[in-house]
Amino acid sequence: DGGITQSPKYLFRKEGQNVTLSCEQNLNHDAMYWYRQDPGQGLRLIYYSQIVNDFQKGDIAEGYSVSREKKESFPLTVTSAQKNPTAFYLCASRSSRLAGGPSYNEQFFGPGTRLTVL
Amino acid sequence: QQPVQSPQAVILREGEDAVINCSSSKALYSVHWYRQKHGEAPVFLMILLKGGEQKGHEKISASFNEKKQQSSLYLTASQLSYSGTYFCGTHDNYGQNFVFGPGTRLSVLP
Repeated sequence: DGGITQSPKYLFRKEGQNVTLSCEQNLNHDAMYWYRQDPGQGLRLIYYSQIVNDFQKGDIAEGYSVSREKKESFPLTVTSAQKNPTAFYLCASRSSRLAGGPSYNEQFFGPGTRLTVL
Repeated sequence: QQPVQSPQAVILREGEDAVINCSSSKALYSVHWYRQKHGEAPVFLMILLKGGEQKGHEKISASFNEKKQQSSLYLTASQLSYSGTYFCGTHDNYGQNFVFGPGTRLSVLP
């Protein structure tokens, strides 16, 4: 079964610690995205990547870092520089198969990771 | 820049209709619609790619007016399963940076 997975589902971190959230997809999608969602709020883009070894900052990249060494993997590190990291983190991927590129294709979301800073 | 959605929230009885609007101050090249249930990931509903295009998905349909830079989602004869938060999303003109609207919370009551 093709899909996108995130782990862990729940994550607890002490203040001052870095933590890495996993995102893996076996859909052979080129583009991958990380979003942050706060309670009762919309999704805000942290980072996105269109191809391997390339990624771009989204609207709220400060305090986060990513890597894209493999097509199927796009891990997100929440660093100690992120002042308020408690949130629901969603990873998504999208195909570029159709003419016109990613904008013409839906995003598939993983189940999310709920991060709580203690 | 984030698109604007209206209304922020709506409460319906089963069988009633609703319209959710999405507009942008920037040119729209495509509009995506997603629904998110509480605590879950968003689920894709539909993409609209051309001005004036209308698409349908069961009893949920949408229109896209490129000139007015807006899209509307129509939910007819609503069911309890329609409850959730509806997000529109738009791209910049390079089809890369993707921005979601703030969401519209829909509650369908029996």
